[in-house]
Amino acid sequence: KAGVTQTPRYLIKTRGQQVTLSCSPISGHRSVSWYQQTPGQGLQFLFEYFSETQRNKGNFPGRFSGRQFSNSRSEMNVSTLELGDSALYLCASSLDIPQGMNTEAFFGQGTRLTVV
Amino acid sequence: DQQVKQNSPSLSVQEGRISILNCDYTNSMFDYFLWYKKYPAEGPTFLISISSIKDKNEDGRFTVFLNKSAKHLSLHIVPSQPGDSAVYFCAASGYTGNQFYFGTGTSLTVIP
Repeated sequence: KAGVTQTPRYLIKTRGQQVTLSCSPISGHRSVSWYQQTPGQGLQFLFEYFSETQRNKGNFPGRFSGRQFSNSRSEMNVSTLELGDSALYLCASSLDIPQGMNTEAFFGQGTRLTVV
Repeated sequence: DQQVKQNSPSLSVQEGRISILNCDYTNSMFDYFLWYKKYPAEGPTFLISISSIKDKNEDGRFTVFLNKSAKHLSLHIVPSQPGDSAVYFCAASGYTGNQFYFGTGTSLTVIP
């Protein structure tokens, strides 16, 4: 069973530009979440998508947005890039489960974004 | 506001000994806790989890303990092996479903 696939692995962008990152979840997983990892900050939740709808959102500015397609693949977009957006962006997929139950998230290898 | 905290940025242990990684949380609504292991340039890999209805869960060399009254969980690795050297993140979820709150990680080094 293929894991979570993120593309590209590495990206260098200039301040002010925009960027789109892609994530293909594990087959059968309909929940896709995005996280930002920076040194000393751990993983910060950006947003979660399920059935093409944003279901949860973290505390990030509106420059960070995402979407999910009917095949569960997801994209994340960051507009007007700032130097502080340099980070590892991780995508995670999960099974959707009945309310009151829990499941783990499976992560991709991430996209390393560097803003110069 | 960091709702999940790992206060030890690093830990060194001799091969064969026990490694104990600690994690504290502040939100009493969390009811599911996980540990992830991360190598450089890779995404986190799920290790073990525990539901709030339990206080212990074992999987081979890995055991997670949960103390709900203290809002504290720990991961025990016995015996520790050099291949266990990695960054370990604890995470929690609950009322928000698939949204996970992560600690800042503990870098474990197992010395041969």
